[in-house]
Amino acid sequence: EVQLVQSGAEVKKPGESLKISCKGSGYSFTNYWIGWVRQMPGKGLEWMGIIYPGDSDTRYSPSFQGQVTISADKSINTAYLQWSSLKSSDTGMYYCARHASGVDPWGQGTLVTVSS
Amino acid sequence: EIVLTQSPGTLSLSPGERATLSCRASQSVSSTYLAWYQQKPGQAPRLLIYGASSRATGIPDRFSGSGSGTDFTLTISRLEPEDFAVYYCQQYGSSLMWTFGQGTKVEIK
Repeated sequence: EVQLVQSGAEVKKPGESLKISCKGSGYSFTNYWIGWVRQMPGKGLEWMGIIYPGDSDTRYSPSFQGQVTISADKSINTAYLQWSSLKSSDTGMYYCARHASGVDPWGQGTLVTVSS
Repeated sequence: EIVLTQSPGTLSLSPGERATLSCRASQSVSSTYLAWYQQKPGQAPRLLIYGASSRATGIPDRFSGSGSGTDFTLTISRLEPEDFAVYYCQQYGSSLMWTFGQGTKVEIK
């Protein structure tokens, strides 16, 4: 079964750093782009960026360029999304998903809460 | 940047009725890279349709997609209770940049 499993929920304070993960299994992880999507509470889906784990080629949405860093470790089939200094406005659900015929599958989501 | 506009924002229908959801692009989109997703509360989005009209694995045939260029449609032929959810269209081909519509909520009338 092709699946993406994300790391668990996080509660952080403003200014703290964070790195969340997305582990792929059941397919050749290095051969498919992995994207990250934000969903703020009660809102729609926003594309953040995408990475090709085979060579770490990365593209960012202009809205998120410079705000987050996307990376991957192909030796352990894992993609990452990280922040160096969180803001309260980063609170939301973050999904990873595989770019294939359609975007599928999606991870289960990682809830990030940033609050003082 | 391609902008996708979905209409209506909310669709109030009864089980058994037909639902027609629209997705309009600000510029022409390749049908190959137009998809539809269903999202229920507390769940990740689920792929329904890719390539504008191909059903994803396990998706019932009451879901169908159509359209080309700038106008795309998702049709649910007869609503089942489990179909009440939010639906998003997406283009995922232009330079690998994904764009989502703002969503249409299908609610029980």
